[in-house]
Amino acid sequence: AQSVTQLDSHVSVSEGTPVLLRCNYSSSYSPSLFWYVQHPNKGLQLLLKYTSAATLVKGINGFEAEFKKSETSFHLTKPSAHMSDAAEYFCVVTGTYKYIFGTGTRLKVLA
Amino acid sequence: GAGVSQSPSNKVTEKGKDVELRCDPISGHTALYWYRQRLGQGLEFLIYFQGNSAPDKSGLPSDRFSAERTGESVSTLTIQRTQQEDSAVYLCASSVEDRVYGYTFGSGTRLTVV
Repeated sequence: AQSVTQLDSHVSVSEGTPVLLRCNYSSSYSPSLFWYVQHPNKGLQLLLKYTSAATLVKGINGFEAEFKKSETSFHLTKPSAHMSDAAEYFCVVTGTYKYIFGTGTRLKVLA
Repeated sequence: GAGVSQSPSNKVTEKGKDVELRCDPISGHTALYWYRQRLGQGLEFLIYFQGNSAPDKSGLPSDRFSAERTGESVSTLTIQRTQQEDSAVYLCASSVEDRVYGYTFGSGTRLTVV
């Protein structure tokens, strides 16, 4: 069985400060992990993915995530937040074709 | 096409009516998925099509929900006798067969049952 937990439903940061969105997963076998972003009234966009290659994954718009098997975590980070980063972020785990979505973290960026 | 296309983008219907939602996947994507996103919640898996294989319908919440796909083309999700709890955004996604590439999502259909 697989599951994913996003530890914060809301995160607020000031523009120019680092972003950390936390995700823990549970999987009985080697998972693939993804982060998706959803801007208001827009579709879901793939930010980055981990598929058992490098544990540090770089995505679009300066985002990164590190796969830590010992901690079963896949936290999303960005060194410096931009106003345009304000959105909902979803962590996803899959071992098959079926994606299991977290409940989402809403990121607010303060000017 | 260039992306996954869904129609209509918005649908308001009266309780008890049937609705049909359409998804046009990216050309060449053999896999197609339907998910539901209720307000303030994550995405719920509904159904998965892969080529000509039998679909995985395990996520359909009731027998009022059904979906069809012909080959690797358009899919329709039908909700019969709609209820207010069916109000949600219905998202379609497609992908190549290998899951590691990730899905490409459409913009969704926002269904409101009044």
